[in-house]
Amino acid sequence: NAGVMQNPRHLVRRRGQEARLRCSPMKGHSHVYWYRQLPEEGLKFMVYLQKENIIDESGMPKERFSAEFPKEGPSILRIQQVVRGDSAAYFCASSPGWQQNTGELFFGEGSRLTVL
Amino acid sequence: DQQVKQNSPSLSVQEGRISILNCDYTNSMFDYFLWYKKYPAEGPTFLISISSIKDKNEDGRFTVFLNKSAKHLSLHIVPSQPGDSAVYFCAASRMTGANSKLTFGKGITLSVRP
Repeated sequence: NAGVMQNPRHLVRRRGQEARLRCSPMKGHSHVYWYRQLPEEGLKFMVYLQKENIIDESGMPKERFSAEFPKEGPSILRIQQVVRGDSAAYFCASSPGWQQNTGELFFGEGSRLTVL
Repeated sequence: DQQVKQNSPSLSVQEGRISILNCDYTNSMFDYFLWYKKYPAEGPTFLISISSIKDKNEDGRFTVFLNKSAKHLSLHIVPSQPGDSAVYFCAASRMTGANSKLTFGKGITLSVRP
């Protein structure tokens, strides 16, 4: 499967625990985006990363949230000390580099976080 | 501040008829517009797009119209089929280099009745 892969698909955490969501971009893509969808809402941009670099984190909450895209391995969205309001679907998307950019993002199937 | 607005949360049409989904935007810097389709428990999938240099783009049963002066775009689906029932998101971006950051509307739930 050469699509965007996200895991876990479902994650349950208690308040105060940590959540780690992983995303492997589509083959040949070097740019990763994270979006969050709250219930009854659209997708909200969180962060845009290239390998080893955060390019745009204007949508990331100031505290408890962090993202990385290491040289090797998947991109990780980390939420520390989760609260009930963090319950949402988190979608990862990828795109190719500049020369192949078509403006389209390719999305994974999402990771659904439930905070008890 | 919602830069991309889909004011109608839902639409119901009869199979075989036309579905018209509307979208408005406020940021005049947007120059590329996309529609995504989303089924429950799945990720959004790309449907069709349009650049700001065009006013129409057609792909099979799907046509997107762009009215730049009104900052308005619409997606036409004809004929509508039951399998088209899904949530449709309008999205917009500025095509600056490699950054494909998209700003999404809240989505419209389309129901196509057999």
